[in-house]
Amino acid sequence: QVQLLESGPGLVKPSETLSLTCTVSRDSISTYYWSWIRQPPGKGLEWIGNLFYNGITYYNPSLESRLSMSVDTSKSQLSLRLTSVTAADTAMYYCSKVRGSGRGGSHDFWGPGIAVTVSS
Amino acid sequence: DIQMTQSPPSLSASVGDRVTITCRASQTIVKYLNWYQVKPGIAPKLLIDAASRLQSGIPARFSGSGSETDFTLTISSLQPEDFATYYCQQSYSTFWTFGQGTKVEIK
Repeated sequence: QVQLLESGPGLVKPSETLSLTCTVSRDSISTYYWSWIRQPPGKGLEWIGNLFYNGITYYNPSLESRLSMSVDTSKSQLSLRLTSVTAADTAMYYCSKVRGSGRGGSHDFWGPGIAVTVSS
Repeated sequence: DIQMTQSPPSLSASVGDRVTITCRASQTIVKYLNWYQVKPGIAPKLLIDAASRLQSGIPARFSGSGSETDFTLTISSLQPEDFATYYCQQSYSTFWTFGQGTKVEIK
């Protein structure tokens, strides 16, 4: 079954850009939709967005102005970029595989997550 | 956006208890409703999709029901490994949303 592993800096300064990578193994990145989800400390899960290998993306409207997601098929990696971060962006960030392509989809496999803190 | 409201926010229960968690959508989502289990330090796990379809490898004590706006996750006989936080999530709209979670604690 597919395996996912998030990577990136654990600490980002306010107003800077958060950049994370998710490496996909044991399955083709070009077959499925993929997703990013986050969970701030002590709070619930928040859907960040979905993306397909061909560039189709769906973003959470509350993050859309600061968010960019992409796929590098040659490296079998997903990437997330979130600009102008604040303390409110401190969270555990997860990537997931999406079963389905839109309506009716679900996050059927998740990475272990990466903790990101926004602080000076 | 579609709001998902779970209740209760938390509950205390004993091993062997029957536990029911509800999830209400702010508009109809037909049956596009998924349930997840989240434990600290462990990747979240998909339990049920399409409101009632149990995932492979998930024990049969978990079940889901409902349609339109009202949904339920039931654990028929709570086991020690079931103490966790449970989230519902709708995938009816382009903008997916989660409920706020229900924490199941040991009584």
